[in-house]
Amino acid sequence: GPKVLQIPSHQIIDMGQMVTLNCDPVSNHLYFYWYKQILGQQMEFLVNFYNGKVMEKSKLFKDQFSVERPDGSYFTLKIQPTALEDSAVYFCASSFAGGNQAPLFGEGTRLSVL
Amino acid sequence: QQQVRQSPQSLTVWEGETAILNCSYENSAFDYFPWYQQFPGEGPALLISILSVSDKKEDGRFTIFFNKREKKLSLHIADSQPGDSATYFCAASALQGGRALIFGTGTTVSVSP
Repeated sequence: GPKVLQIPSHQIIDMGQMVTLNCDPVSNHLYFYWYKQILGQQMEFLVNFYNGKVMEKSKLFKDQFSVERPDGSYFTLKIQPTALEDSAVYFCASSFAGGNQAPLFGEGTRLSVL
Repeated sequence: QQQVRQSPQSLTVWEGETAILNCSYENSAFDYFPWYQQFPGEGPALLISILSVSDKKEDGRFTIFFNKREKKLSLHIADSQPGDSATYFCAASALQGGRALIFGTGTTVSVSP
């Protein structure tokens, strides 16, 4: 079936550096999401994105975070600069229609900030 | 403010028993409730979902019961199997394009053979 691919699966960086997490959503999906999960705990919503724009963002989506999907390529989450508390697994998801279609999630990128 | 709550935090059942997972929410605007199953090291996978116009949704061994008045729902896993051992998340969103899906705190289920 369709899959959301996330690249890389694991990223290790030093605090203060910039990191970009890449997501290849399902080809005909229109809505894109990022979630943060720490140690297998609750999935926390960060941001959703449609038609080139952020629709909603949570308090966790700090000023250091940004998202974009230039020309239908990867949907990216950029963190600049990174902080120790950014260490987590970041999940990308996509859906064709919002509302009553549950987003399809990728396998996650584990980010370790040292 | 936790908008979606789940209980219990963890649950152990014997193989063949029915596991019952509870979920409650606060936001009256929520009208779509998917349940996700997550295994360690993997992303969450959609298990079953329900719209607020229904009070029950069944798919094989998995059944959602929904009480809109009380803002509560539950997931019943009948004839539990060891392969059902995972963390289950209740989630909620408003039926409006691309709205944020808010996850609950999760219930970790262990099925003993």
